[in-house]
Amino acid sequence: GESVGLHLPTLSVQEGDNSIINCAYSNSASDYFIWYKQESGKGPQFIIDIRSNMDKRQGQRVTVLLNKTVKHLSLQIAATQPGDSAVYFCAEKGSNDYKLSFGAGTTVTVRA
Amino acid sequence: NAGVTQTPKFQVLKTGQSMTLQCAQDMNHNSMYWYRQDPGMGLRLIYYSASEGTTDKGEVPNGYNVSRLNKREFSLRLESAAPSQTSVYFCASSGFGLEQYFGPGTRLTVT
Repeated sequence: GESVGLHLPTLSVQEGDNSIINCAYSNSASDYFIWYKQESGKGPQFIIDIRSNMDKRQGQRVTVLLNKTVKHLSLQIAATQPGDSAVYFCAEKGSNDYKLSFGAGTTVTVRA
Repeated sequence: NAGVTQTPKFQVLKTGQSMTLQCAQDMNHNSMYWYRQDPGMGLRLIYYSASEGTTDKGEVPNGYNVSRLNKREFSLRLESAAPSQTSVYFCASSGFGLEQYFGPGTRLTVT
């Protein structure tokens, strides 16, 4: 079965607020994690990634946090915009592998 | 630089028909992947090719075959389509970095 999953299938956010999307993983040997954004009718688009030797990584308006103690990953989006409405997937890679395992996704809807 | 391209964008097949989904990348990536995506589910790996000349099964390979034609192209073939293969198919590629770059997808319906 899947080792990567997201806590909530949907998230509704007010425009301008910060969004937090959560992901739990079960493989303690995973050494790489990645977040993708998928807009309707399109392929997944890379957002940000993080290796297991890091706790936090920041990009443009996005931050990924990794808590290896509880095997939890989160994606924070600052000042959420209507263009952020999409499905967000987390994925992990095992240390002895290079394939990614994807979670089921969280649908984010931004309210005007 | 087109990235990852897939053809066709849409396809309708009858049960038992065969077809090949085409994928090409222009990023000089070594690794290529085929995934399927079903409603409410994440991406499931069908087959992958770590480098030109090699292919390996992923999580859900039954009913599919692949060919890594050259470094740029990786095709997915359905020999005898079944309704259970109705899905959206994504091709992806990766280079020395671990992030995978995805194509726009092929929406396949098998009736």
